[in-house]
Amino acid sequence: RKEVEQDPGPFNVPEGATVAFNCTYSNSASQSFFWYRQDCRKEPKLLMSVYSSGNEDGRFTAQLNRASQYISLLIRDSKLSDSATYLCVVNTNAGKSTFGDGTTLTVKP
Amino acid sequence: NAGVTQTPKFRILKIGQSMTLQCAQDMNHNYMYWYRQDPGMGLKLIYYSVGAGITDKGEVPNGYNVSRSTTEDFPLRLELAAPSQTSVYFCASSYLTGNTEAFFGQGTRLTVV
Repeated sequence: RKEVEQDPGPFNVPEGATVAFNCTYSNSASQSFFWYRQDCRKEPKLLMSVYSSGNEDGRFTAQLNRASQYISLLIRDSKLSDSATYLCVVNTNAGKSTFGDGTTLTVKP
Repeated sequence: NAGVTQTPKFRILKIGQSMTLQCAQDMNHNYMYWYRQDPGMGLKLIYYSVGAGITDKGEVPNGYNVSRSTTEDFPLRLELAAPSQTSVYFCASSYLTGNTEAFFGQGTRLTVV
């Protein structure tokens, strides 16, 4: 079993749709959690950190469920520019970062 | 502001050749990382460094070597290139580890033929 597993996707949604991605992790010692966005043939860039209390940044909401060991990313009112691959990243306290394989989102007009 | 700079951007190697991928950051970050990303997959950690003179293996270190003589530079050496090393290589840095954002270079696309 992979340490970090993401919805395989791809997700194809129309503009304006709401879409949610899930990510599960196996290491209960994991301390910090992130969502990165990666555009085609580009480097990953931080989208948002994920806090225990959940956090929101505009149309994006991230949540963490430590008991069930999963994190989620919700995108509301999808835009064409949201088309990308979303990577779930889980860090241990020792600083080891484990990336999920990514979920590809395509938003269509 | 340059951030993390990787060179070259593209390279084709023949089997058995060697090369060094360069990585430099100007943010005075202590932590630096090398990842590889195969098509349709996430990033796998090759090596990382917590400061000048200190390096450690990641998940997939075989066939690679690193050094960290300065805070700014973290080159990755490929010895005896093999087709299995065809991948996109990303260098990254962060101020701390764990809870802080990692900044990535633009990547090096390497093909071994």
